[in-house]
Formats: sequence, structure tokens, C-alpha cells
Amino acid sequence: EDKVVQSPLSLVVHEGDTVTLNCSYEVTNFRSLLWYKQEKKAPTFLFMLTSSGIEKKSGRLSSILDKKELFSILNITATQTGDSAVYLCAVLNQAGTALIFGKGTTLSVSS
Amino acid sequence: DARVTQTPRHKVTEMGQEVTMRCQPILGHNTVFWYRQTMMQGLELLAYFRNRAPLDDSGMPKDRFSAEMPDATLATLKIQPSEPRDSAVYFCASGTQGYTEAFFGQGTRLTVV
Repeated sequence: EDKVVQSPLSLVVHEGDTVTLNCSYEVTNFRSLLWYKQEKKAPTFLFMLTSSGIEKKSGRLSSILDKKELFSILNITATQTGDSAVYLCAVLNQAGTALIFGKGTTLSVSS
Repeated sequence: DARVTQTPRHKVTEMGQEVTMRCQPILGHNTVFWYRQTMMQGLELLAYFRNRAPLDDSGMPKDRFSAEMPDATLATLKIQPSEPRDSAVYFCASGTQGYTEAFFGQGTRLTVV
């Protein structure tokens, strides 16, 4: 059965800290891995990763994929209170018919 | 501003009643996902449509749930009869067949009492 496991489940940090969120997966016929940020409402897209070792970066957020070890990390540097959210990792199968989500990591950034 | 639109945003209903949730995917998107989100289970995939055809609904309880796309601008998820354990937020997401990211609607928060 396909599965996506995220760790830690929750994290509390102070503003300015750097955090690393983890996502490991077991998916038949992997196509890509996606990261989403969910605040109070709908998940919003952050990154899509398809190739190993190529870092995607957007501002203070960056992510990288390791297809050999079947995991990805999401880094957030100089965290701000606005980064407080649930971060979701999802894996898409090759056929594009299943986007399987992990349970998420709840990040709380205190000022 | 292209977005996925879901209606209603909130629904409270009594056990045994029929519930219909609607989703308007982004114009031009030909793939639609339905998800259910709860605290315990997170985001669970219920159904997947491509070009209006249901390609995968294995995550959906067949006895009471049904999903359809009567046309390219409307996807529906129906629960009949509803039960308290169906209480959750139901999300619709749309994307393109070449597949980049899936865009989520704001969700329908369903409460069955």
C-alpha cells in the first residue's frame, strides 16, 4: 500500500530559527513529490520535485528530493510567525491518478 | 483569478439525510480529485476524474458515496444516507493531465448530527 510519512508531527520554534521538515514515502511508480502549506483553509502549493538532488527554492523555503532513499526535506530559514501552518507532503504516482498525502507537520513559530 | 470553487462552504445536516457537495474546477483543467480531511486521518483521497471519467474511486465508501462529473465545469460528491462519521472537510482539487500541481478549493465543512 502506498504511504507517505512525515516527521515530526509537530514542531514549536522561535522566530528566526531554521527548521527542517521530513517526508519519506513508499509509492508504486513514483512520479513526483509535492509540498503544500495549509493554514486555516485549503492547502496551497509550495513545490513540486521530480528529480533527485535538485534544490527548489522560494524565498526562505527550499526543498530537495532523494529518490534513492525515498525522502524529501523542506527547509525554512529565519522563520516568521506567518510560517505557522501545517506543512503537507504528497506523492503522485506515475499514472497521475493518485496524489497521496502524509498526515502533515504542524509548525508553530512563536515571537 | 483562476480558482477552484466549492459549494456550500459549510453544511450541517441530520443523520440519514442526503448531502451534495459541488466543485467547479479551474477552467481548462481536466483532472479532479476529491479528498476528505479529518484530524485523525489527514487528507484521504476519495476519487479521481480525468476528462470527466472516474479513473479511481477506490478510496470512497461505495455504499453511500458517489461522485460524478456531469460536465467539465462541475464535479459533485454525494453522500446518501449521511452518518455522523462522515463529518469532515471535503476538498476538491483540479489540475492538468500533463500534471503539475493540484489546486485546492476552500473545502466544504460537513457536520452530520
